[in-house]
Amino acid sequence: NAGVTQTPKFQVLKTGQSMTLQCAQDMNHEYMSWYRQDPGMGLRLIHYSVGAGITDQGEVPNGYNVSRSTTEDFPLRLLSAAPSQTSVYFCASSYFSGHLNTEAFFGQGTRLTVV
Amino acid sequence: QQQVKQSPQSLIVQKGGISIINCAYENTAFDYFPWYQQFPGKGPALLIAIRPDVSEKKEGRFTISFNKSAKQFSLHIMDSQPGDSATYFCAASKETSGSRLTFGEGTQLTVNP
Repeated sequence: NAGVTQTPKFQVLKTGQSMTLQCAQDMNHEYMSWYRQDPGMGLRLIHYSVGAGITDQGEVPNGYNVSRSTTEDFPLRLLSAAPSQTSVYFCASSYFSGHLNTEAFFGQGTRLTVV
Repeated sequence: QQQVKQSPQSLIVQKGGISIINCAYENTAFDYFPWYQQFPGKGPALLIAIRPDVSEKKEGRFTISFNKSAKQFSLHIMDSQPGDSATYFCAASKETSGSRLTFGEGTQLTVNP
């Protein structure tokens, strides 16, 4: 049972570099989201998707892009990394129940350091 | 601004004691309140969740108490064990939001043997 898989687990970037954080889920969940976790701030929503081809911004979207071409994958792109993007990034997925929230399943996280 | 405020930031409890973590929310449209447990190096995992049609929900040693008028909810861990040592996050969302969660700041719980 793979669940939500994130790669890489660790990454160091130089300021201005770009990279893509990968997220894949094998549960056929419609909803996928990206959060960043910073000390003392909990997890904050970056971007969100309700299905293939549909994305929306969360609380802290600046500096990040997403796309969702398949149900399984939801990559997060940093176009020009900044030190303020040093964080632990979590991808999550959940299924559509019709009208009630369902459990969000989280990946193991990607620890990103921008120097 | 933090729409969900959590306290305390850290908590140390003796084995067998009761751990209590509190959260307060601002948005009255929130109607789903989960608690997540996170171990070091892992992603958060759902522990227990409550909807505002009930004031309390219990699952084993874990209980959520919910006070809609005060816009507060809390997690009680009875008979706390060293294995409960983790970071706990409260969260809130609107049922129609598709599980878009607003998290509290987190509480680092340490249960001493």
